[in-house]
Amino acid sequence: GAGVSQSPRYKVAKRGQDVALRCDPISGHVSLFWYQQALGQGPEFLTYFQNEAQLDKSGLPSDRFFAERPEGSVSTLKIQRTQQEDSAVYLCASSLGRDGYTFGSGTRLTVV
Amino acid sequence: QKEVEQDPGPLSVPEGAIVSLNCTYSNSAFQYFMWYRQYSRKGPELLMYTYSSGNKEDGRFTAQVDKSSKYISLFIRDSQPSDSATYLCAMLRGYSSASKIIFGSGTRLSIRP
Repeated sequence: GAGVSQSPRYKVAKRGQDVALRCDPISGHVSLFWYQQALGQGPEFLTYFQNEAQLDKSGLPSDRFFAERPEGSVSTLKIQRTQQEDSAVYLCASSLGRDGYTFGSGTRLTVV
Repeated sequence: QKEVEQDPGPLSVPEGAIVSLNCTYSNSAFQYFMWYRQYSRKGPELLMYTYSSGNKEDGRFTAQVDKSSKYISLFIRDSQPSDSATYLCAMLRGYSSASKIIFGSGTRLSIRP
């Protein structure tokens, strides 16, 4: 597609519920990143994929967070047993090597 | 202490004014410096990037990097209401496909017509 597509745009989850956030990167982009952006803050790195390989997951805040990209294109970020502190915008970005990163519009997660 | 510090604002200026946005950083390993613009409910979009110290100009925008002071700036000339957004400074240690971007917290800018 023309840009990075994320779905859903908005998600309200009850505390303790599991959620899955989807990222559809630009076709052919090898690199895919997930970032978390809390209200009034800059995005913070969560994890990085090169094709289907998850090469860096150092930013995942707890073992409740899990990401996958099984066929090297679409990626899913899963959060188990959501907590209020998980409320944030989750941004996905893709890149074709050195061409720079293109971000999606994000999924706004609210945990109530 | 955060690796990248940025004044959150908000900053409000009249249309046509020159805007100055700034960030400081602590890690001397940073080599690539970027400015992103983020409109409400949108993802960040790259405005400018520079490598090492110096100036770079693109239309109404000028980016400056002073590595000796660990200080970067973005200047916007002839500011327009459409420039109203949050501006994020960002940095990379190395520009490879695996490089993760480190962002500042963003400065909210409002241009008054």
